[in-house]
Amino acid sequence: GQQLNQSPQSMFIQEGEDVSMNCTSSSIFNTWLWYKQDPGEGPVLLIALYKAGELTSNGRLTAQFGITRKDSFLNISASIPSDVGIYFCAGQLFKAAGNKLTFGGGTRVLVKP
Amino acid sequence: DGGITQSPKYLFRKEGQNVTLSCEQNLNHDAMYWYRQDPGQGLRLIYYSQIVNDFQKGDIAEGYSVSREKKESFPLTVTSAQKNPTAFYLCASSMRGDTQYFGPGTRLTVL
Repeated sequence: GQQLNQSPQSMFIQEGEDVSMNCTSSSIFNTWLWYKQDPGEGPVLLIALYKAGELTSNGRLTAQFGITRKDSFLNISASIPSDVGIYFCAGQLFKAAGNKLTFGGGTRVLVKP
Repeated sequence: DGGITQSPKYLFRKEGQNVTLSCEQNLNHDAMYWYRQDPGQGLRLIYYSQIVNDFQKGDIAEGYSVSREKKESFPLTVTSAQKNPTAFYLCASSMRGDTQYFGPGTRLTVL
């Protein structure tokens, strides 16, 4: 199955820094979702985007649905230690069989030593 | 509390044995999904069900089977035909066409 291209694969953050990650696809989607996964746990939904060009915030998180419907980015402002984890993007196409999600490979956010 | 539960959290199986992973939700969601996650990778869809007594293969269904006899339950059986079953298994549910919410996962290790 297709996977989205998510980058970077990993990044180190220092407390207080802003971080950014993005997803690109060769196909269009109707919905973009961003999840965060802590080790050994299930992904937790952070932000859902439903309209091309939409910019949505959730606390220190901001995500945008690309105007071409083929990409999305997630920004985290003023990072804190609990931002560490794996962030996944997912695209959804309405009326696709089962309304399936297509996932990116994840961005692993780590703390600078 | 409403949510999705998966049990057990950790599961060990001998090679050649079938094993069933449980997924229950009390969110009144119509659709349920099973994903597999391997270390350092994203999620891949195994099976999904949009309605009771109906389910469809996902991208990596070989060696797995499911049933959907009740709206709130969607058990996954990992059969001996699955060549590399050690992985983290995640169940999700949603209202039809809506956002998917995930359970806490079951880590299966084949000894």
